Amino acid sequence: AQTVTQSQPEMSVQEAETVTLSCTYDTSESDYYLFWYKQPPSRQMILVIRQEAYKQQNATENRFSVNFQKAAKSFSLKISDSQLGDAAMYFCAYRSSYSGAGSYQLTFGKGTKLSVIP
Amino acid sequence: DSGVTQTPKHLITATGQRVTLRCSPRSGDLSVYWYQQSLDQGLQFLIQYYNGEERAKGNILERFSAQQFPDLHSELNLSSLELGDSALYFCASSGVPGQVDRYTFGSGTRLTVV
Repeated sequence: AQTVTQSQPEMSVQEAETVTLSCTYDTSESDYYLFWYKQPPSRQMILVIRQEAYKQQNATENRFSVNFQKAAKSFSLKISDSQLGDAAMYFCAYRSSYSGAGSYQLTFGKGTKLSVIP
Repeated sequence: DSGVTQTPKHLITATGQRVTLRCSPRSGDLSVYWYQQSLDQGLQFLIQYYNGEERAKGNILERFSAQQFPDLHSELNLSSLELGDSALYFCASSGVPGQVDRYTFGSGTRLTVV
């Protein structure tokens, strides 16, 4: 079974600064997807960024980028130019690329609570 | 609005009772996934349905059951409720299994058992 670990329960960052959230995972599969989800106080789960394991290039979405280290099974999220609206819980998640049963559930880490200081 | 509708948004009930949570997937999506988010366990996968059939089970208690109807909406039934069942229950939907881009969450149902 796959596991996802987020070792930082809480982090804080000054507005306009850069912060990196860490995530490690364990899997025996070679092809899979990794995600970062944001959960603001509204509790909606919002997809921030996605990475396909077969792609060596790190994914980027505007101010959000990842550092994907497949051999180390590490998947960190970097938020640049942090904004007050970035304050939220951030969850790292894993999904298999192929499932014979057609099930593609996500395995989540415990989350990191990010605070943004004005 | 993500297109995935969950009702009710909030539910307060007593121990031992039974409740039903409802999820309407995004238009065109065939799969429905149920997740439980609790303080101590984090986000855990419960069960998945695809076009009316159960596809996978995760950490779902025997007191819990689910089904997906012909119109593709899904219901999660929780019975003999305990204090520890208090959690946020999410539904997510996707199209054809494996379509990564169409995995979308609803806004959740907050269940409080008193």
